[in-house]
Amino acid sequence: DGGITQSPKYLFRKEGQNVTLSCEQNLNHDAMYWYRQDPGQGLRLIYYSQIVNDFQKGDIAEGYSVSREKKESFPLTVTSAQKNPTAFYLCASSRQSLSRGTYNEQFFGPGTRLTVL
Amino acid sequence: GDSVTQMEGPVTLSEEAFLTINCTYTATGYPSLFWYVQYPGEGLQLLLKATKADDKGSNKGFEATYRKETTSFHLEKGSVQVSDSAVYFCALTPPRGSQGNLIFGKGTKLSVKP
Repeated sequence: DGGITQSPKYLFRKEGQNVTLSCEQNLNHDAMYWYRQDPGQGLRLIYYSQIVNDFQKGDIAEGYSVSREKKESFPLTVTSAQKNPTAFYLCASSRQSLSRGTYNEQFFGPGTRLTVL
Repeated sequence: GDSVTQMEGPVTLSEEAFLTINCTYTATGYPSLFWYVQYPGEGLQLLLKATKADDKGSNKGFEATYRKETTSFHLEKGSVQVSDSAVYFCALTPPRGSQGNLIFGKGTKLSVKP
């Protein structure tokens, strides 16, 4: 079955530690996204990538880093510079938008809940 | 900048009641509009979409009409079920953006009681 997997489902981190969240897709999608979800805040875009070896900052990139070495994978690292990392993190992917104003549906993974102890 | 505003929840209804969740947007030009649903402990699923003015998106008994004159995309269902209990997000993708990014409202939690 095609889809997006995220691991782990729950993650606990001590203050000052970096942690990496995994996101893998087998949908052959070019574009991948990371969102952060906080209670009552909706989803906010952290980073996105339209193609392998390229990515752009979203609205709240500070304290996060990503890589896109393979089409299928888009891991997110939450660094110690992120002041308030406790949140629910969602990864998504879509076919690449080929022209301005077009939209391809984003498919979401099940999410990773990160808690800082 | 572009934004989405949706009614705050939580919304609690009895089974078979009529549902409306209001959504209005601010955007330059003609964005595409979406409703996503998130069931407890899961990621988001696309519920329905509309890409131009007066389009009606529909799925699983839910409907929403793209109203350019009122910049709205209200979600409606005639008769809700307990299984519709979830968080509903209104979203848009800016017309000028080529990257397909979504801008989300804050979400509305719906609880349906038997």
